[in-house]
Amino acid sequence: EIVMTQSPATLSVSPGERATLSCRASQSVSSNLAWYQQKPGQAPRLLIYAASTRATGIPARFSGSGSGTDFTLTISSLHSEDFAVYYCQQSHNWPEITFGPGTKVDIK
Amino acid sequence: QPVGSGGGLIPPGTSLRLSCAASGFTVSTNYMAWVRQAPGKGLEWVSVIYSDGTTYYADSVKGRFTISGDSAENTLYLQMNSLRAEDTAVYYCARVHLRCLVDWGQGTLLTVSS
Repeated sequence: EIVMTQSPATLSVSPGERATLSCRASQSVSSNLAWYQQKPGQAPRLLIYAASTRATGIPARFSGSGSGTDFTLTISSLHSEDFAVYYCQQSHNWPEITFGPGTKVDIK
Repeated sequence: QPVGSGGGLIPPGTSLRLSCAASGFTVSTNYMAWVRQAPGKGLEWVSVIYSDGTTYYADSVKGRFTISGDSAENTLYLQMNSLRAEDTAVYYCARVHLRCLVDWGQGTLLTVSS
């Protein structure tokens, strides 16, 4: 099983600031990495796939980078609606996809 | 957006079937998945079904859960048997695209407790 880890567990950021979230895989997943956003009481929403491609309708302030074992999700300027939990997910070992434990982005 | 249903409070050892009614796309021509989230926890993949009927399961549910689709009803199902306390979670269905989960249902809560 490919184990995904994320850091930090919680990130406190002020609106308008930049947020940088990290995700690491226990072995190389190439670029088979996605990011999801989940707000309280809601289902997750796909933000980024193939490590760096924004999903349909996702604002340009969200960007993804990385390959192999280390990945980053950057939110260039936080909007109020961006405060949420973010999960990374590997699909390299499809169909046995695994998720990271999440990073909560909250208001500083 | 798919609409999930069928959750509830049920005793350990019993069975339950979850449903996920799709609209805007056809369940039978897509890969579809179930993912669950225990209260206050992260996401865990449960099962996937391909458009050709091939199915896969997480080890934690293999032999107990069965995923299926009904083309006439355009609905995805998850039959869950021999339920355990650790199966307590919100269960989400989602359409698979490029090995990612898109078009998530709103989730249905299953609580396994005596």
